[in-house]
Amino acid sequence: GDSVTQMEGPVTLSEEAFLTINCTYTATGYPSLFWYVQYPGEGLQLLLKATKADDKGSNKGFEATYRKETTSFHLEKGSVQVSDSAVYFCASRYSSASKIIFGSGTRLSIRP
Amino acid sequence: DAGVIQSPRHEVTEMGQEVTLRCKPISGHDYLFWYRQTMMRGLELLIYFNNNVPIDDSGMPEDRFSAKMPNASFSTLKIQPSEPRDSAVYFCASSFSSGGTQETQYFGPGTRLLVL
Repeated sequence: GDSVTQMEGPVTLSEEAFLTINCTYTATGYPSLFWYVQYPGEGLQLLLKATKADDKGSNKGFEATYRKETTSFHLEKGSVQVSDSAVYFCASRYSSASKIIFGSGTRLSIRP
Repeated sequence: DAGVIQSPRHEVTEMGQEVTLRCKPISGHDYLFWYRQTMMRGLELLIYFNNNVPIDDSGMPEDRFSAKMPNASFSTLKIQPSEPRDSAVYFCASSFSSGGTQETQYFGPGTRLLVL
């Protein structure tokens, strides 16, 4: 069945470091892909999304490109801030489905 | 818009008691989802509704769990009787469909449940 695999955390970086969180998906077709972020004590919120191959989603300095050839949707940010400390979830949804398949989440901690 | 509203935000109860979690989706949304989040199992989809009708409840752990959506603006998740292993954060999320495509899911702040 469809699944999403993301790198295990926790990931700890210093402020202004470059961030990559890897995510790969398996799907029978061409799903829409998402990154959600969960700040401490809050629910998940959509960070960015891409709906077809080669699309790039971006928001708040974060970017992810839908790579069909490698079935990947890696999250990147050029210079992280302490306020980026959160748990990040990669997710997919097949176009005709209603359920979103979430990865296990990656906890990110940024040191000042 | 107020966003997805959940109540209570925190619940502490004793094993064997009935627990009812409540959710008010965003107005106009036709999908509603219930999730459970724990450290051990991560984020799990329990059940979801479309136009107030349960579509997939395959994630509901067992018969002690039940969910209802009597109207478009209200849903409940009930656990009876509760057990310590039910301790988790329960999230409600809603979304709307446009042209047959479901749009972004919006999550509520969650209910943190502790069963002693």
